[in-house]
Amino acid sequence: AQTVTQSQPEMSVQEAETVTLSCTYDTSENNYYLFWYKQPPSRQMILVIRQEAYKQQNATENRFSVNFQKAAKSFSLKISDSQLGDTAMYFCAFMKPGSQGNLIFGKGTKLSVKP
Amino acid sequence: DTAVSQTPKYLVTQMGNDKSIKCEQNLGHDTMYWYKQDSKKFLKIMFSYNNKELIINETVPNRFSPKSPDKAHLNLHINSLELGDSAVYFCASSQDLTSGSFYNEQFFGPGTRLTVL
Repeated sequence: AQTVTQSQPEMSVQEAETVTLSCTYDTSENNYYLFWYKQPPSRQMILVIRQEAYKQQNATENRFSVNFQKAAKSFSLKISDSQLGDTAMYFCAFMKPGSQGNLIFGKGTKLSVKP
Repeated sequence: DTAVSQTPKYLVTQMGNDKSIKCEQNLGHDTMYWYKQDSKKFLKIMFSYNNKELIINETVPNRFSPKSPDKAHLNLHINSLELGDSAVYFCASSQDLTSGSFYNEQFFGPGTRLTVL
């Protein structure tokens, strides 16, 4: 069975600085997708970024980028120029082919951006 | 316009009652999901429906039953509510997964916080 581990329950960062959230996963699949979701205090789940396992290039979305290390089964999220609005829970998630959309989530990292 | 909506946003009820949470999506998606987020923020899939057929049931108790009157709606009925059912329940939807595409983004609703007293 696939598992997703986020080893940092809480993190904080000063506004405008850079922070990296860690995620590791366990799977025997070769093809899969990885995601980072953001859940602000409003509770809304928002997709931040996704990575296809067969792509070597790391995904980037504006201030958000990932460091995907397939061999190490590591998928970290880097947030550059942190903003107060980045304060949220961040969830790493995994999905394998043929799972009918079954997203497997990590336990989340609570990120606080301080002014 | 809200893409995925849920009603109610908050639900407080007594143990043993039966309740329903409604979900509607206006994205034209064929697949809808229910997730449960517990008090420790752990999020886990409960069900998904594709074209009104159940395609996932992740060891959820029989007291929980999804009902889909049409592909734009997936309601969650819960019978004989227990204290442990207190959680936030999220509905989500995506394009048809059986069309051959490996991935279609899931869009989440705002969640329903259920409190069982």
